[in-house]
Amino acid sequence: AQSVAQPEDQVNVAEGNPLTVKCTYSVSGNPYLFWYVQYPNRGLQFLLKYITGDNLVKGSYGFEAEFNKSQTSFHLKKPSALVSDSALYFCAVIYGRSSNTGKLIFGQGTTLQVKP
Amino acid sequence: GAVVSQHPSWVICKSGTSVKIECRSLDFQATTMFWYRQFPKQSLMLMATSNEGSKATYEQGVEKDKFLINHASLTLSTLTVTSAHPEDSSFYICSARARAAGAQYFGPGTRLTVL
Repeated sequence: AQSVAQPEDQVNVAEGNPLTVKCTYSVSGNPYLFWYVQYPNRGLQFLLKYITGDNLVKGSYGFEAEFNKSQTSFHLKKPSALVSDSALYFCAVIYGRSSNTGKLIFGQGTTLQVKP
Repeated sequence: GAVVSQHPSWVICKSGTSVKIECRSLDFQATTMFWYRQFPKQSLMLMATSNEGSKATYEQGVEKDKFLINHASLTLSTLTVTSAHPEDSSFYICSARARAAGAQYFGPGTRLTVL
């Protein structure tokens, strides 16, 4: 079955330090992977995606993610965290024949708390 | 980036009434729209997928007669919660996918509270 897992409910990091939010996936075939961020009582904002190509994907707000096929991971990273990065982060994978017609399934979410 | 709007942003209704939520893609045409439900501190649960001009495809366990979805045009989809009950109280989020690119854009969500 297609699935995506975020093993950490919460990640705490000090402002200015690097951050990592973990995501692993299980799909048959080539994965289409996404990261979204959600602020309280708001919808999801797209951060970045991996479809094909370079394993290191750069996205919005200084975030990046590295696709690792051997470890089936797609961890979200940022070199220097900001207090305003504090939010709920979702990893997602599309299953289906193509990225245009498949369905997004989400991980359980990871709360990122950046302290001043 | 692409913009998806939802209206209303919040609604409070009495048990037994029906509530309609609109989802619009403002600056792109979306052949496919999705409706999600999110409980507090939980992930998004896909309820249904709708393609313009055709009937919605509901996920297992979602009552199609309870949650009516209409996708009348390439920029508008509506979700109607019929005969709402307190257990239907939730955060409903729509999403739209453009013809190409694969990215899905999400609306800001609608908070439904059924008294």
